[in-house]
Amino acid sequence: AQSVTQPDIHITVSEGASLELRCNYSYGATPYLFWYVQSPGQGLQLLLKYFSGDTLVQGIKGFEAEFKRSQSSFNLRKPSVHWSDAAEYFCAVGARTGGFKTIFGAGTRLFVKA
Amino acid sequence: DADVTQTPRNRITKTGKRIMLECSQTKGHDRMYWYRQDPGLGLRLIYYSFDVKDINKGEISDGYSVSRQAQAKFSLSLESAIPNQTALYFCATSDLGPESGANVLTFGAGSRLTVL
Repeated sequence: AQSVTQPDIHITVSEGASLELRCNYSYGATPYLFWYVQSPGQGLQLLLKYFSGDTLVQGIKGFEAEFKRSQSSFNLRKPSVHWSDAAEYFCAVGARTGGFKTIFGAGTRLFVKA
Repeated sequence: DADVTQTPRNRITKTGKRIMLECSQTKGHDRMYWYRQDPGLGLRLIYYSFDVKDINKGEISDGYSVSRQAQAKFSLSLESAIPNQTALYFCATSDLGPESGANVLTFGAGSRLTVL
């Protein structure tokens, strides 16, 4: 069965510092992979996605993520965090068969300090 | 206007009451979903629909029902609300385009439900 693990419940970084949010998944093959962001009081917005090809994918707001098959990971990175990046981040996996089911991790809440 | 609109945004109700959460979309997507968000648990799928005549249970459908009134409308009902249904509920859509198997989701802003 599919599962997604985000080991960090919350992370605090200083503004301008680099960020890495971890995501590990369990799936029998290579799934579709996503990162979504949820700002306070809002719905989830897609940051980036991996379907195939280049394992380093670029997303919106300066985020990128790298798919590492050997580690079953899809970590999210940003070289310099802005205060507006404070939000909750969700990693998700989608099955390549059936196509309907997206499984979400529990989320990582990012705090940014001045 | 938002692509996916949920009403109400906030609702407080009492145990045993019937509640309906509504979702409408202007994306023209065929697939619609209801998710529930609880702290520390992420989002869990309640029901999903591929088209007007197709309704499927997700992983936590007990205590919930849905109706797909039109391509653009998908409502979630709690027939007899209980306190552990207190949560943030999200409606989402996805299309059947070339990347449909990848199921990129567009979310509404959420409906916060409190059951006393």
